[in-house]
Amino acid sequence: DVKVTQSSRYLVKRTGEKVFLECVQDMDHENMFWYRQDPGLGLRLIYFSYDVKMKEKGDIPEGYSVSREKKERFSLILESASTNQTSMYLCASSYTGRRAYFGAGTRLSVL
Amino acid sequence: AQSVTQLGSHVSVSEGALVLLRCNYSSSVPPYLFWYVQYPNQGLQLLLKYTSAATLVKGINGFEAEFKKSETSFHLTKPSAHMSDAAEYFCAAGNAGGTSYGKLTFGQGTILTVHP
Repeated sequence: DVKVTQSSRYLVKRTGEKVFLECVQDMDHENMFWYRQDPGLGLRLIYFSYDVKMKEKGDIPEGYSVSREKKERFSLILESASTNQTSMYLCASSYTGRRAYFGAGTRLSVL
Repeated sequence: AQSVTQLGSHVSVSEGALVLLRCNYSSSVPPYLFWYVQYPNQGLQLLLKYTSAATLVKGINGFEAEFKKSETSFHLTKPSAHMSDAAEYFCAAGNAGGTSYGKLTFGQGTILTVHP
């Protein structure tokens, strides 16, 4: 069974904290994605990785960084969390040209 | 850059009526296209996908979508709405080539409400 696992379902952090969101896939997909989902805005791409150590900025990369040291793991880092980063974060993975598989999401609250 | 536009953030239909959710993409080269559905408090599920094999694509739960290159559209339809179809629907497009070949861009989403 296909699996994309996000480390936390809910997370509460304080303004200024460094936050790590982890995502692991077990399908040997070359592509991995981080999206944030906000009402009325759909899924906006933060970062995309098409291979180990390779990354590409999405539509809203400001305030975020990513790390992909191993093929199965893609981490999203909020260097200094701010209240406007309160959102639902979705990780996904795919083979190129194929459908994406999504994790369950992490609902992050920054207080 | 690829962009996807879903016309209408909210669509409301009666049970048994036609469902039509609109999606347009911007690309000079036809991308590959998807429709996903998200039920309340759940993750995204794939409804159907277009990958250039056929312009009319059939998906799960009676949904289908037609790819129209001339209109750069990929509208989602279902002949008869069911209460269980109430959800948020997302159209997505993948790039046709280049280093960003795997990248997926999503539309803003359309919330479908079905009235008894």
